[in-house]
This record gives sequence, structure tokens and C-alpha cells, in this order.
Amino acid sequence: QSVLTQPPSVSGTPGQRVTISCSGSTSNIGTYTVNWFQHVPGTAPRLIIYGNNQRPAGVPVDRFSGSKSGTSASLAISGLQSEDEADYYCAAWDDGLSGPVVFGGGTRLTV
Amino acid sequence: QVQLQESGPGLVKPSETLSLTCSVSGSPVRSYSWSWIRQSPGKGLEWIGFIETTGSTTYNPSFKSRLSIGLDTSKNQVSLKLSSVTAADTAVYFCARLLYTRAYLRFDYWGQGTLATVSS
Repeated sequence: QSVLTQPPSVSGTPGQRVTISCSGSTSNIGTYTVNWFQHVPGTAPRLIIYGNNQRPAGVPVDRFSGSKSGTSASLAISGLQSEDEADYYCAAWDDGLSGPVVFGGGTRLTV
Repeated sequence: QVQLQESGPGLVKPSETLSLTCSVSGSPVRSYSWSWIRQSPGKGLEWIGFIETTGSTTYNPSFKSRLSIGLDTSKNQVSLKLSSVTAADTAVYFCARLLYTRAYLRFDYWGQGTLATVSS
């Protein structure tokens, strides 16, 4: 059981917008910033959001966005493309017993 | 360009020690913090631990008594040693560079991972 809770799967059609949620608590998301990673099995995970809503260089600004409210965070992917099909994970610092770094269980995006 | 490449024996017997290496290019290991993360079959990512530039380490409490993470600055490598392994330690092991403050963390570069199977 992961400390951060994500839906196991989401799906969308090309061009659509989807959101993936990440629910935590005051010991993690409520206090600290959130990372989002894209992982295609067999490849290196890729950082797509850090600091709740910052994109590293090379991540399309018009397609990937992050937000946070209270103890939950969300990743939005607009203009879905087939290459977006991957597993998505959130992560944050945590002050609890499982910490200090915790990941979500991951969400499989099917396009 | 920063690149990370994990390597290891592939197969480890139960109760033995798993030893993995992360070879880094494009970034001096002495200047950054480095983390290990794993993914067990059919499961999500699990943070294992990290090492800071000072050599100070922070580990997931689940591994604390079995785990050692180190730096070899002469080879620009990060190491992981996990003792007394069981089948539950079978996983793909990733290394990642970690940038952080107390309020902020960022795993900005990752390796492709190496599969470690625990079996007799």
C-alpha cells in the first residue's frame, strides 16, 4: 500500500485531456512539493513535473501541467498522443514513518 | 549530457548480498546527491535511499538494517549493497540524481534500471 494514492488506470482518446490525481496527507503533499514521472516499462523514468507545476526543459509546456491543492496534487495531459501511453508516478518528501521520500502506486495511462 | 547506467549480477541467491553499481557520465558524483529506487514485478516505484555529497546517507526504514549506499569518486560511480536478500527483493533497480532542499526534491536524471532476481 503506497503512502500516496493514485488511481490504477486512466484512459483517453487522441487529442483528449486527462488528469491523474495523487492524494496524500499533511506529512507529505500538504507540506512539500510534488514530482511527477512518466515511465514506459523497460526505459528510464522521465521527470515531467517538479515543484508542483514546474516543467524541466524538453517537456512540452502546452501538454503537461501540474497543480496542487491542500493534500492532493494533479497531473493534466492535454492533446493526448499515443506516445503518452505510460505509467505515471507522483513523489514527495514525507515526515511519516515510511519516509522521507514516498511514491504513489502509479497510474497506467492508456491512449 | 548526464547519463546513468546501472549494472549488477542479475541473479543472487537468497540470504546473500546484492551489489549494484550506477556508472555516471556527464555529472561528477561528488557534486550531487544520488538515490536508488526499485520496482518489484507488477508493482510501483519504491524509494530505497540516497547519499549526499558529504557521504551522509538516508535510507527507507524498510531497508535500514540491510542497506548500504556508497560513492566511488575515482570511478564516478554510486553503489548499493543489500544484504540478506529474499525473493521479495527481486526487482528492477534504478539510480537517479537527486536535487533537493528541505521543501523540494527533484529526481532529474534516471538510469534505465537493472533487473536483480533472487533465486536459488
